[in-house]
Amino acid sequence: AQSVTQLGSHVSVSEGALVLLRCNYSSSVPPYLFWYVQYPNQGLQLLLKYTTGATLVKGINGFEAEFKKSETSFHLTKPSAHMSDAAEYFCAVSDGPYNNNDMRFGAGTRLTVKP
Amino acid sequence: EAGVVQSPRYKIIEKKQPVAFWCNPISGHNTLYWYLQNLGQGPELLIRYENEEAVDDSQLPKDRFSAERLKGVDSTLKIQPAELGDSAVYLCASSFNGGAIYNEQFFGPGTRLTVL
Repeated sequence: AQSVTQLGSHVSVSEGALVLLRCNYSSSVPPYLFWYVQYPNQGLQLLLKYTTGATLVKGINGFEAEFKKSETSFHLTKPSAHMSDAAEYFCAVSDGPYNNNDMRFGAGTRLTVKP
Repeated sequence: EAGVVQSPRYKIIEKKQPVAFWCNPISGHNTLYWYLQNLGQGPELLIRYENEEAVDDSQLPKDRFSAERLKGVDSTLKIQPAELGDSAVYLCASSFNGGAIYNEQFFGPGTRLTVL
C-alpha cells in the first residue's frame, strides 16, 4: 500500500526566505502526488498535483513541486515566503489511475513565517 | 458555487453520548468521503460513497460508527456511543467520478468534536 513521510513536523522561515517542505512516498505503482494546505479551522485546499507528464508542477500561491522518481520524493518549494503562507501543509499519494480515490496523507508540516 | 458544507462546525459532548455530523457535497458530485483527522495528523479515510453505495468502509469502526447517504446526496456520520478517543476533526469531501483518470476531492471545513 502507498504511504507518505513528511520530514519535519514544524518548519520556520523568515519572510522572503525560501520555503522547502519535504515529502517522500512509497508506492508499488506509478503514483499520483498532491500537496494540500490547511489554514486554521478550515478544510484542505489543493495546492498542486502530479499525475503524469512534466515532473515539475506549479501550483497556486507561487508554490511548486518536483516529482523525482529515483528519490521517491515530491518536495514543495516557494522562492520567497509570505506571512500568509503560514499554515499546515499535507503531502498525499494515491495509486495513480488504478485507484486515485484512495488517497493517503502524511502527518503534515506546520509552516511558520517570521517577520 | 457553494463548496462542501458541514454542520455543526463544533460539537462538545460527554462520553457515551451519541453524536451526528452532516455533510452536503458540491452539487453534482457523486462521490463522497468522510475522513478522520486527529490532532497533529493527516486525514484518514473512514468511508467512501459512490452515489448511495458505500464502496470503501474498511476503516470505519463499525461497532460504534455508522454512516448513510440517502438519495446519493447528503450524508450523515454517527457515533454511538462516543468515547474520549473520538475527539478529532471529521472532514467531508466530495468529487465527481465520471471515469476520468483523476477526480479532485474538495474538502469541507470539518466538524471539530470534543468528547469530555
